[in-house]
Amino acid sequence: QKEVEQDPGPLSVPEGAIVSLNCTYSNSAFQYFMWYRQYSRKGPELLMYTYSSGNKEDGRFTAQVDKSSKYISLFIRDSQPSDSATYLCAWLEAAGNKLTFGGGTRVLVKP
Amino acid sequence: GAGVSQSPSNKVTEKGKDVELRCDPISGHTALYWYRQSLGQGLEFLIYFQGNSAPDKSGLPSDRFSAERTGGSVSTLTIQRTQQEDSAVYLCASSLAPYQPQHFGDGTRLSIL
Repeated sequence: QKEVEQDPGPLSVPEGAIVSLNCTYSNSAFQYFMWYRQYSRKGPELLMYTYSSGNKEDGRFTAQVDKSSKYISLFIRDSQPSDSATYLCAWLEAAGNKLTFGGGTRVLVKP
Repeated sequence: GAGVSQSPSNKVTEKGKDVELRCDPISGHTALYWYRQSLGQGLEFLIYFQGNSAPDKSGLPSDRFSAERTGGSVSTLTIQRTQQEDSAVYLCASSLAPYQPQHFGDGTRLSIL
């Protein structure tokens, strides 16, 4: 079993729709949870960072963490064509500093 | 700029040559990381520097890979006797302190002919 499972997509949605992205993980040592956005030929850009179960909201973005189910989600409201990118979930263990990444989900928001 | 800066942005070299990749972290960030991103393997950790502590080299794939960080700031990743499987995007990240969010540069796209 992989440490992290993330659907590669592509996920295609119409402009204005809600984008829903998910990742599951198996390593109980994961304590910090992140979502990154990566445009083509650019580095990953941090969107959300959290370490507790529950919801965290930032503008159009909501991150949801369920540690008991080892499941994290990212929701993008009122999606725009500029949201078209690859979204990467990532984890940090409490005892280490290296990020473990999911494979990324490619999202296409069509005008 | 205020972000992580990497150079060169692209590098093409022949198999067997040595390459050096440079990373300039965000000013004031004490932690620096190198990752590699390739199609088949996704994003993989290579090495981590924190202050004056010994680096965590646990992700380096072979002894052809080495890195150093001078003066707690700029870092150089060196790949000796490059192989075709070394072709990838090499990403550098920095964070204000351990366990803080990591911010990435745009990477060096390395192609081995």
